[in-house]
Amino acid sequence: AQSVTQLGSHVSVSEGALVLLRCNYSSSVPPYLFWYVQYPNQGLQLLLKYTSAATLVKGINGFEAEFKKSETSFHLTKPSAHMSDAAEYFCAVSDTSGTYKYIFGTGTRLKVLA
Amino acid sequence: SQTIHQWPATLVQPVGSPLSLECTVEGTSNPNLYWYRQAAGRGLQLLFYSIGIDQISSEVPQNLSASRPQDRQFILSSKKLLLSDSGFYLCAWSMYSSYEQYFGPGTRLTVT
Repeated sequence: AQSVTQLGSHVSVSEGALVLLRCNYSSSVPPYLFWYVQYPNQGLQLLLKYTSAATLVKGINGFEAEFKKSETSFHLTKPSAHMSDAAEYFCAVSDTSGTYKYIFGTGTRLKVLA
Repeated sequence: SQTIHQWPATLVQPVGSPLSLECTVEGTSNPNLYWYRQAAGRGLQLLFYSIGIDQISSEVPQNLSASRPQDRQFILSSKKLLLSDSGFYLCAWSMYSSYEQYFGPGTRLTVT
């Protein structure tokens, strides 16, 4: 069965510093992987997705993620944090049972310090 | 372009009262539809999903139910709300045969 682990429920970075949010997955077959961002009291917005094309995926708002099969990871990065990046971030892996469901991680709340 | 609507945006209901939350998708046909719940300080819990108008699957046994009266409409209901039903309810859709989900703005439900 697929699973997703997001290490660190809370991450704090200084404004201008590198953002690194970790996501590890387990899947018996090559999965599709997604990162979403959620601002308070809003729905989730798709940041980027990996669908077996390029392993380095660029998304919106300057974020990118690299699919590393050997490490079963799909970490989210941004070179320079902005105050507006403060939000909760969710990693998701596609369910491979043909139901088009996601398996979500538990989320990481990013805090950006001035 | 496609859009997804949820209403109401917020709802305060007493314990034991009924519930009906509505989700509508515009600009596409035959979407996959999903209901999620976020309890305070917790992650996303998939409640129901529908791959087709006559197919609704439940992920977690509870006092909630879902219906899909039209192709692009997904309703979440309860006959009697519990305190534990409080949370943020999110509807999402994906294109048929696609994994990429798009989320609505959510409904904040408080059961008192």
